[in-house]
Amino acid sequence: QLQLQESGPGLVKPSETLSLTCTVSGGSISGSSYYWGWIRQPPGKGLEWIGSIYYSGSTYYNPSLKSRVTISVDTSKNQFSLKLSSVTAADTALYYCAARYPPGEQFDYWGQGTLVTVSS
Amino acid sequence: QSALTQPRSVSGSPGQSVTISCTGTSSDVGGYNSVSWYQQHPGKAPKLMIYDVTKRPSGVPDRFSGSKSGNTASLTISGLQAEDEADYYCSSYAGSYTFYVFGTGTKVTVL
Repeated sequence: QLQLQESGPGLVKPSETLSLTCTVSGGSISGSSYYWGWIRQPPGKGLEWIGSIYYSGSTYYNPSLKSRVTISVDTSKNQFSLKLSSVTAADTALYYCAARYPPGEQFDYWGQGTLVTVSS
Repeated sequence: QSALTQPRSVSGSPGQSVTISCTGTSSDVGGYNSVSWYQQHPGKAPKLMIYDVTKRPSGVPDRFSGSKSGNTASLTISGLQAEDEADYYCSSYAGSYTFYVFGTGTKVTVL
């Protein structure tokens, strides 16, 4: 049973870069066939897929965020990370990391989420 | 890519059935059999309830069922129970450019 846990600063200043890490336990990032992803939820609003990565490093992103997003993987630490640049108040959200087992297109496992507030 | 459209809220008494709709387009819901549904209790992470339109993960009660017709998918909860009160989100694969879209979310209230 996979377990995912997000970590990172809870407060980021406008125009700076948001950085989060997801630590995976109960399975190996490189030894499994999962795709690893990030999904966010602004307070009181719905879910938005940000992007996903495979352990090989291949990535794909939400077109609306693509210019600001980088997702990377560190197999030695069994972690993957999110960087979102040039943040504004609109990026304030609960950020979840999640796992998808292909060929399924659903997110089978989720972390508990971490709240990131963009404010000066 | 717009979010999939769901009713803001639905309600029912214990034991009754409720159905949540999820309307998209031929580029997402209508184009792929990759619709999933998630249950989210307050302060909790979403939980997968239905995938591939009709399939239930292990451990999900068979009171939950999914279907699709054209560009609209539906989640039905039969024999409504108090613990089913939560927010529900649909999601669909939307091709190799957009990839994934979520619904606007529906609050289910057990009266």
